[in-house]
Formats: sequence, structure tokens, C-alpha cells
Amino acid sequence: DTAVSQTPKYLVTQMGNDKSIKCEQNLGHDTMYWYKQDSKKFLKIMFSYNNKELIINETVPNRFSPKSPDKAHLNLHINSLELGDSAVYFCASSPPTWGAGDSETQYFGPGTRLLVL
Amino acid sequence: GNSVTQMEGPVTLSEEAFLTINCTYTATGYPSLFWYVQYPGEGLQLLLKATKADDKGSNKGFEATYRKETTSFHLEKGSVQVSDSAVYFCALRYSYGKLTFGQGTILTVHP
Repeated sequence: DTAVSQTPKYLVTQMGNDKSIKCEQNLGHDTMYWYKQDSKKFLKIMFSYNNKELIINETVPNRFSPKSPDKAHLNLHINSLELGDSAVYFCASSPPTWGAGDSETQYFGPGTRLLVL
Repeated sequence: GNSVTQMEGPVTLSEEAFLTINCTYTATGYPSLFWYVQYPGEGLQLLLKATKADDKGSNKGFEATYRKETTSFHLEKGSVQVSDSAVYFCALRYSYGKLTFGQGTILTVHP
């Protein structure tokens, strides 16, 4: 009964390649996020979608493009990978602000460990 | 801008020791405050939270009190266990679900 799942768990690739990371949540949440965690464990938000609509877009290179085909999925496509893109990428989701769920709590996936060589 | 500062780690303790991880924040308005925990090889999990001044969040023996006057949300536990070894993140939330995290504090508990 995985709540927030990500694929792949590990991704090793060469500089210049294009890769995608997929995220799915089965919690019925409306809002999904992508975070990047660097080698020093620092976490920073990249994007947020609410009901397939982009609502947060931090200062991220435009090589990174999120796509939300429906509110249960938020994928991250990265073009022309660079060494500095090596990190752990976390997907997260949260309930809507209306309704019974706790909209303030975010539920994180297990992370995708990306290594660019 | 809004920011969160945690005490530098790593923190190494013996089992049953008292734990404090300091967290202070800078924010406009009245954000909600959170502690998240990341066990080795896993994603983050909410540990506890507080949504207004003087609220105390608690879970699994951990506690933190929202102190507006000192802009702090320090995490405490009276007796740590080896299984508490993890990375702890203090965070605040403002605007539409955007979490701002501190830099994380690595805790290692030895038997």
C-alpha cells in the first residue's frame, strides 16, 4: 500500500543525457511537489502542482520540466544532465486545503538517487 | 525572506541521553512549524508540528514548543534510542504548501 512511490529508485547516467523520474500518489491528494536534496542533506523545493496546475516554480534551470498528466502523477524530466544535477530527488503530496485531511502535512516518497557521471 | 536555522551537526549521543536540537526561524506573519525525520535510505516523515504560538507538538517521545517571542521550535526527547538515529529537519510553511527546510541535523545514537 505504497502512498507516494517514485521510479526509478536509483539512476546512473552520463552527462548530456535526458532522463525522467516518475511519481505517483494513491492518497487522493490534490497537491504534489518535487524537492532536491544535495549531498549535504539540504532540501529545496523545485516545483509544486495543484490539480495538474503549476503553482510553485522555484529558480530551477529550464532543463528541468515537470509534467502532471493527472492529479495522482507528477513526473520530472531533465534534459542535458550535468554533474551538478547529482542528488536525491523527492516527490511529495499533500491533501487539499478543504476537506478532512491535514493539508499542512506533506507525504514524501522514498526518493530517487541520481548520479551523473 | 523566510528561513530556518538548525544547530550544526552531527550530534552523537549514548542511548537514554537527553536530546535537544535547536531550531530558529525568520518569517513574516505566523507560519506553521514542523519537524520531519529522515531515516537512512528513506524519504522524510512528519514527526510533529505546531500551527500557532505556544502550541506544543509531540510524537514518539519527541516534543517541540512554538515560541514566537524567541522565534524558536527546539526539538527535545528525554531518552533517545538507537532507533532514533536519523536526520532531523526543522521546517516552516508559508504560502501555498511551500515548506522551507533547515539544513538538517544528523543524529547518531550509540548503544
